Amino acid sequence: QVRLVESGGGVVQPGGSLRLSCAASGFTFISYGVHWVRQAPGKGLEWVAFIPHDGSGAHYADSVKGRFTISRDNSKNTLYLQMNSLRAEDTAVYYCAKADGGSGSPDHWGQGTLVTVSS
Amino acid sequence: QSALTQPASVSGSPGQSITISCTGTSSDIGGYNRVSWHQQLPGKAPKRMIYDVTTRPSGVSNRFSGSKSGNTASLTISGLQADDEADYYCCSYAGSSTYVFGTGTKVTVL
Repeated sequence: QVRLVESGGGVVQPGGSLRLSCAASGFTFISYGVHWVRQAPGKGLEWVAFIPHDGSGAHYADSVKGRFTISRDNSKNTLYLQMNSLRAEDTAVYYCAKADGGSGSPDHWGQGTLVTVSS
Repeated sequence: QSALTQPASVSGSPGQSITISCTGTSSDIGGYNRVSWHQQLPGKAPKRMIYDVTTRPSGVSNRFSGSKSGNTASLTISGLQADDEADYYCCSYAGSSTYVFGTGTKVTVL
């Protein structure tokens, strides 16, 4: 079955950088787009970024544009999120989610990894 | 990229039906038939319950149904059960491969 496992979260100081990974299995990774979605403590879900199946182009929420970069390595079935210039408001659980092949909506979710931006 | 608007909370007794609304604009909900709904149990990852406005993934109870009118989508849960108690989020395609989530609704079973 579809499995998505995020890693790389932790505590980082404001202005710092962090790279998250998402290891995918149970489906043909190269055939599907993938999302990053985050959830601040006690808050709702916020869409962060999307990358198509072949990595051709990436799309971001305005709140992270210019600071975050989504990428993928289809040879390793792995999705990445490079986060730079981190701010306190980036503190959240970050989920990767496989995109539905038709509508593109998230259809399977990982368990998430917590990123805390604090001095 | 403003969040879609959902009521903060909805409640109902076991066996009743409840409906959660999700209001956006013509640039998201109103412009595409690509609304999904996601259930998040306490401390858990979200789970997709509805996609493409009305379609239920296999394995999701037929007590869950979706609809859309204009810029507002809705999720109805019929025959409310104790284990339906969770947070529910709508999500819509917003053009140019971007997406937007709703503010979330806490469902309480009385």
